[in-house]
Amino acid sequence: SQQGEEDPQALSIQEGENATMNCSYKTSINNLQWYRQNSGRGLVHLILIRSNEREKHSGRLRVTLDTSKKSSSLLITASRAADTASYFCATLTGTASKLTFGTGTRLQVTL
Amino acid sequence: DAGITQSPRYKITETGRQVTLMCHQTWSHSYMFWYRQDLGHGLRLIYYSAAADITDKGEVPDGYVVSRSKTENFPLTLESATRSQTSVYFCASSEIPAGGPGSYNEQFFGPGTRLTVL
Repeated sequence: SQQGEEDPQALSIQEGENATMNCSYKTSINNLQWYRQNSGRGLVHLILIRSNEREKHSGRLRVTLDTSKKSSSLLITASRAADTASYFCATLTGTASKLTFGTGTRLQVTL
Repeated sequence: DAGITQSPRYKITETGRQVTLMCHQTWSHSYMFWYRQDLGHGLRLIYYSAAADITDKGEVPDGYVVSRSKTENFPLTLESATRSQTSVYFCASSEIPAGGPGSYNEQFFGPGTRLTVL
């Protein structure tokens, strides 16, 4: 069963604008990760936030986590055409090292 | 070259045939994973392995077989391919988290194999 659900499914913005993607999950987690997938490629890890953290930054990325609402958001500031990709959240639960991925948000950044 | 590779990158086969997808990583990561990616489903875990000779089922294991005789290789076999197994397959690997299981495990993905079953 899918643990994470991203919202929106697709997002189209212009270069320079901010992009916000949301992820909701169902069960308690150890950490939540965001991955990017360019068309025809494998996934690339972007950022991880632990269950005891509320916000994390990495370059133009900002991730928030609200464990009470079982949700996370990924903000990409000052977007670029190269940010065009699909973005997936993934949750780690329990003691195994298995991740459960959401269905993804397709981001299109136009010039 | 260091990294994680998959072969073949593209494969067309017929229903009922046996197909093996290969995955090789050069980092000596303990964990390896197989996912399938389908529209509307995101990535779903098929099988994973915590170390050589240790494998376990994921969310969608039916119709697949894995083995892990060496740390660096994790082949996925479709014993009798079906049309529903048409998908893009990704292999991934990760280290044992320094803080113990569940603490941190960034996964590194291969480029994928696009499999079509006719």
